[in-house]
Amino acid sequence: QKEVEQDPGPLSVPEGAIVSLNCTYSNSAFQYFMWYRQYSRKGPELLMYTYSSGNKEDGRFTAQVDKSSKYISLFIRDSQPSDSATYLCAMSSNTNAGKSTFGDGTTLTVKP
Amino acid sequence: ETGVTQTPRHLVMGMTNKKSLKCEQHLGHNAMYWYKQSAKKPLELMFVYNFKEQTENNSVPSRFSPECPNSSHLFLHLHTLQPEDSALYLCASSPTGGGGTDTQYFGPGTRLTVL
Repeated sequence: QKEVEQDPGPLSVPEGAIVSLNCTYSNSAFQYFMWYRQYSRKGPELLMYTYSSGNKEDGRFTAQVDKSSKYISLFIRDSQPSDSATYLCAMSSNTNAGKSTFGDGTTLTVKP
Repeated sequence: ETGVTQTPRHLVMGMTNKKSLKCEQHLGHNAMYWYKQSAKKPLELMFVYNFKEQTENNSVPSRFSPECPNSSHLFLHLHTLQPEDSALYLCASSPTGGGGTDTQYFGPGTRLTVL
């Protein structure tokens, strides 16, 4: 069983839709939770990170962490074609943040 | 140049060739990383360097040989690779290499094809 499981996708939504991207994990030592966005032919870029449980909002993006369920989500409101990319969740423990464990990625396409 | 740069962006090599990938970071960071990204697989951490010292080798075959001459440059030397080594090789850097908020910044990657 993988340490981090990510909804496989691909996901295709119309412009303006609310998108939910999800990951589950098994390692209770994970404390830092990240979402990366990777456009085609580019490296991943950090979108959001959250420490421990709770919500974090940044513009149209909201990251949620539920440590009791070992479940994290990224919500995208009013999705735009420019949001079309692969989204990677990643997580790390407090003492080994340089060694993040990544999900497989979910490819999202937002159609105009 | 800003951020993390990688050269070449694309590389095709035979199994008997020797080649090197180069990474340079312009962020003043102290930690650098090599990752392998294959289709339908999660990012695989290969090596970590912290203040030029290798701190992580994630059971990588010896046909991959990293070199970190200083905190700004990282190389991956390749020799006698196999077709299954074809992948996107990503370099990343981070300020300190540890601690919860040590964010990694990725380069654009080198797309490697082994024939």
